Amino acid sequence: DAKTTQPNSMESNEEEPVHLPCNHSTISGTDYIHWYRQLPSQGPEYVIHGLTSNVNNRMASLAIAEDRKSSTLILHRATLRDAAVYYCIGGSGNTGKLIFGQGTTLQVKP
Amino acid sequence: NAGVTQTPKFQVLKTGQSMTLQCAQDMNHNSMYWYRQDPGMGLRLIYYSASEGTTDKGEVPNGYNVSRLNKREFSLRLESAAPSQTSVYFCASSARQGIRTEAFFGQGTRLTVV
Repeated sequence: DAKTTQPNSMESNEEEPVHLPCNHSTISGTDYIHWYRQLPSQGPEYVIHGLTSNVNNRMASLAIAEDRKSSTLILHRATLRDAAVYYCIGGSGNTGKLIFGQGTTLQVKP
Repeated sequence: NAGVTQTPKFQVLKTGQSMTLQCAQDMNHNSMYWYRQDPGMGLRLIYYSASEGTTDKGEVPNGYNVSRLNKREFSLRLESAAPSQTSVYFCASSARQGIRTEAFFGQGTRLTVV
């Protein structure tokens, strides 16, 4: 299983962009990169995923490095509701397992 | 839309007791998962089922058994509960093998073993 490395915590001001980094240097060529987040006292929720190209959806953008060894989740305008733990999953090959790392705790200040 | 439903939401067990955590999804998903999350920690995979009739061990399977009863239901059994199994348990499902599709999570079962 591909190991991911994320900073333990980050801070942002409300209404400013946030860039959450993730390293997944052992990712294989067919592994997708997924991001989930977990709000306090809730189960994780899907944010975004991608393979090679940058991806956008209503929640966030995902920028994937050309060598795919790292990616960045971009929240364009952080809100207080975005305060959560963000998990990057760097792929599990063909096993189908979703293996979570420790995640990044994002604090958003008003 | 119910999504992924877990029962019970809270449970207190005495050491040595057994219980089954229930999980059901109504999205016709093939893959289902059980995770545990200890306080202040990330999620760890206990077991998963890539499709009906198959199960496989995750990162921390010891002390647990699972049953993929049908496509909708995936149960987790603790045969002899231990205080180290105090945790929040999450069930999840996805349309295909998880890494290629979005997974949906239940709200969790908070289990305390005394």
